[in-house]
Amino acid sequence: KAGVTQTPRYLIKTRGQQVTLSCSPISGHRSVSWYQQTPGQGLQFLFEYFSETQRNKGNFPGRFSGRQFSNSRSEMNVSTLELGDSALYLCASSDTTRDSYRQGFFGPGTRLTVL
Amino acid sequence: AQKVTQAQTEISVVEKEDVTLDCVYETRDTTYYLFWYKQPPSGELVFLIRRNSFDEQNEISGRYSWNFQKSTSSFNFTITASQVVDSAVYFCALSGSNTGNQFYFGTGTSLTVIP
Repeated sequence: KAGVTQTPRYLIKTRGQQVTLSCSPISGHRSVSWYQQTPGQGLQFLFEYFSETQRNKGNFPGRFSGRQFSNSRSEMNVSTLELGDSALYLCASSDTTRDSYRQGFFGPGTRLTVL
Repeated sequence: AQKVTQAQTEISVVEKEDVTLDCVYETRDTTYYLFWYKQPPSGELVFLIRRNSFDEQNEISGRYSWNFQKSTSSFNFTITASQVVDSAVYFCALSGSNTGNQFYFGTGTSLTVIP
């Protein structure tokens, strides 16, 4: 099976712009979760989508949003970018058909730089 | 509340030495899942192991071993006969039974293996 793919891999934006990141999970996986990784805050949970519904949400402002499509692909959007949004954004794909298979397979990440 | 603590920020060892990475967790869930991930410089999080809270059996996989002790809320990771390729940042993570596939990560331990 192909792994988790994330596009684009690198992105440079300026303050005030918006950005959309994409994540394609492993085939058959219906759960996609997103994480922000920064040197100062570490790995922080943004949100999780399962069957096109947001199931959990982390403590991030409303500028961060996401969605999931019927094929399980997910996008996250950040509006009105701030310098502090510069980070590595990782998405994780999980098979939730059985709880014993709970495990996150991570993509390579999108490195966002806000100038 | 879910919390993972990795007190060791950086560790350096000489090749072939054994090294143990510590992980202490906090959770009120009776069922939970613990993970170790490896993050090489490329940025992708590589899954190493998942342990369910109801299974305290230790596990060995090649040079890697894990010691899960519920009594001390610890899930430590030992690399035997370390190699230069083991150099990476290692994250311990926790997922609760009622939080979907939301992972709570520790701050990571940066391991450098010196040839």
